[in-house]
Amino acid sequence: GAGVSQTPSNKVTEKGKYVELRCDPISGHTALYWYRQSLGQGPEFLIYFQGTGAADDSGLPNDRFFAVRPEGSVSTLKIQRTERGDSAVYLCASSFSGREQDTQYFGPGTRLTVL
Amino acid sequence: GEDVEQSLFLSVREGDSSVINCTYTDSSSTYLYWYKQEPGAGLQLLTYIFSNMDMKQDQRLTVLLNKKDKHLSLRIADTQTGDSAIYFCAEKGYSTLTFGKGTMLLVSP
Repeated sequence: GAGVSQTPSNKVTEKGKYVELRCDPISGHTALYWYRQSLGQGPEFLIYFQGTGAADDSGLPNDRFFAVRPEGSVSTLKIQRTERGDSAVYLCASSFSGREQDTQYFGPGTRLTVL
Repeated sequence: GEDVEQSLFLSVREGDSSVINCTYTDSSSTYLYWYKQEPGAGLQLLTYIFSNMDMKQDQRLTVLLNKKDKHLSLRIADTQTGDSAIYFCAEKGYSTLTFGKGTMLLVSP
């Protein structure tokens, strides 16, 4: 179908609150990725799903960050006890099968601001 | 870990060629990518090159790869004001991308 979509496009929250960010990948893509882009930086890898399971979560900065993909399609990135340093654009990408040669297609991102 | 480096800023006049350079460190990377990001937008894939190639051309875009020096470049011919954006170089590990900090390209009329 259409490209990768992410909601909300903007999220403002207070320090200490819980937030959920949603990603809807390209239809038929089994691999899904979350990246975080801080101001003036390139995107940094957070977690990669192959189907329903997290194949690589080595980029999650700490245990306040968690992501799920229960049906192998939509994914939710969850951040507990948000901190000001969590402010960034959270990007989601998907690829057809996650093989090395597959291209990752990115969504527009969710801009998270923690006050 | 891997570290991808790019110059931060490039300014050109409309109609000139732009060359954006990138160095990477992971010699096992098999795919190298160029993405474009316009203000407030996500990443748009521009082109990629497989590591066994040294050049790839796609319309106004030319990618050159020097694997010995781990150097990648993107040349944009006949640069237009609409090409103004941030350009990211990225190398592919097995499943994830490692990005540089991006090069801001400013095209003046």
